[in-house]
Amino acid sequence: ELKVEQNPLFLSMQEGKNYTIYCNYSTTSDRLYWYRQDPGKSLESLFVLLSNGAVKQEGRLMASLDTKARLSTLHITAAVHDLSATYFCAVDQIQGAQKLVFGQGTRLTINP
Amino acid sequence: DTEVTQTPKHLVMGMTNKKSLKCEQHMGHRAMYWYKQKAKKPPELMFVYSYEKLSINESVPSRFSPECPNSSLLNLHLHALQPEDSALYLCASSQDRQGAQTGELFFGEGSRLTVL
Repeated sequence: ELKVEQNPLFLSMQEGKNYTIYCNYSTTSDRLYWYRQDPGKSLESLFVLLSNGAVKQEGRLMASLDTKARLSTLHITAAVHDLSATYFCAVDQIQGAQKLVFGQGTRLTINP
Repeated sequence: DTEVTQTPKHLVMGMTNKKSLKCEQHMGHRAMYWYKQKAKKPPELMFVYSYEKLSINESVPSRFSPECPNSSLLNLHLHALQPEDSALYLCASSQDRQGAQTGELFFGEGSRLTVL
């Protein structure tokens, strides 16, 4: 059974600092997704990573995928308050029907 | 158009009521999903429809009954729910992941359900 673990689960940081969120998963997959969720809102797609070594960047966020290590990272550069949200990674089980399994989420708070 | 539309946005129902949640997409996606999300938790998959056929049922209680009338519509019929079923119900859709498709899920805004 596919399991997805994120760490840290809570992250409080200051504006201007850099940090990384980690996403580990338990079985082979080459499809990983990052989503953002604001309180009381739905999930917004951030990145789609579809192969080993994939790297995507959007503004202050950069995501990467290492399928051999079963690890994805979401790196935040020079954080700003607007990035405060909960970030989820999700992994496609790839066997059978498409099924995304979500990590627990990382609640990110960026303080001025 | 990259929108998934869910109605209603909020629903309050008693344990003896029957209600339905509705979801619509016009992106030509052939897979549609229902997820349940409790506060401060990740979304949990309930059902997957692929090409209008139920392909995954994650052992969801029968008081939740999904229906896919056509490739653009997905319903979730609710009957005799319990207070612990109160949650945000998210609908999503995606292209088939074969070939060059990314399999990316696009989520609706959700229906917030309260069961009294």
